[in-house]
Amino acid sequence: SAVISQKPSRDICQRGTSLTIQCQVDSQVTMMFWYRQQPGQSLTLIATANQGSEATYESGFVIDKFPISRPNLTFSTLTVSNMSPEDSSIYLCSARTSRGTGELFFGEGSRLTVL
Amino acid sequence: GQNIDQPTEMTATEGAIVQINCTYQTSGFNGLFWYQQHAGEAPTFLSYNVLDGLEEKGRFSSFLSRSKGYSYLLLKELQMKDSASYLCAAYEDSNYQLIWGAGTKLIIKP
Repeated sequence: SAVISQKPSRDICQRGTSLTIQCQVDSQVTMMFWYRQQPGQSLTLIATANQGSEATYESGFVIDKFPISRPNLTFSTLTVSNMSPEDSSIYLCSARTSRGTGELFFGEGSRLTVL
Repeated sequence: GQNIDQPTEMTATEGAIVQINCTYQTSGFNGLFWYQQHAGEAPTFLSYNVLDGLEEKGRFSSFLSRSKGYSYLLLKELQMKDSASYLCAAYEDSNYQLIWGAGTKLIIKP
């Protein structure tokens, strides 16, 4: 199993600012992902965080808006840039320990409110 | 295309049994996850079915039929704490991604 710590757990931000969310896993994991979950909705994958290289973004998400870093196997950051109220959401870091059928573990989530 | 369907909301009585269905259409299907998510919290893993059939874990059981593209989560002896959203997700081994359903909100009444 893996324990994932995310911070901040919540924040209130001003329009036009940027915020970086940090994700730390307690063991080496193969794959790390960033999800967004808007109120009352399911999970939407933003990107796969690749170690030492650019993240792989899903349709509708771009690096300029959501830059992601993953300098090693246990740590990743997601930045939400130039925020607007539409970015208010829960952002979840997740990880799996293998490329196979490994369970996906989730961090506690970061609840962002943009005013 | 890729699609996962599950009911939006279900209501059940404490102590009863409820079955939450999930149908899926994906390419490169490898297995089906069920997660529980309480309001304001992150999803937590319940089960993962790869083979056809029923897998039981205490009060929770999960079933998969690969030929029918169908799964269900069965919750027995319902407790008030089981009130949560239940998300099914199909695992695609072509790109190691999970395709998520919208979630079923389960409301337990005394």
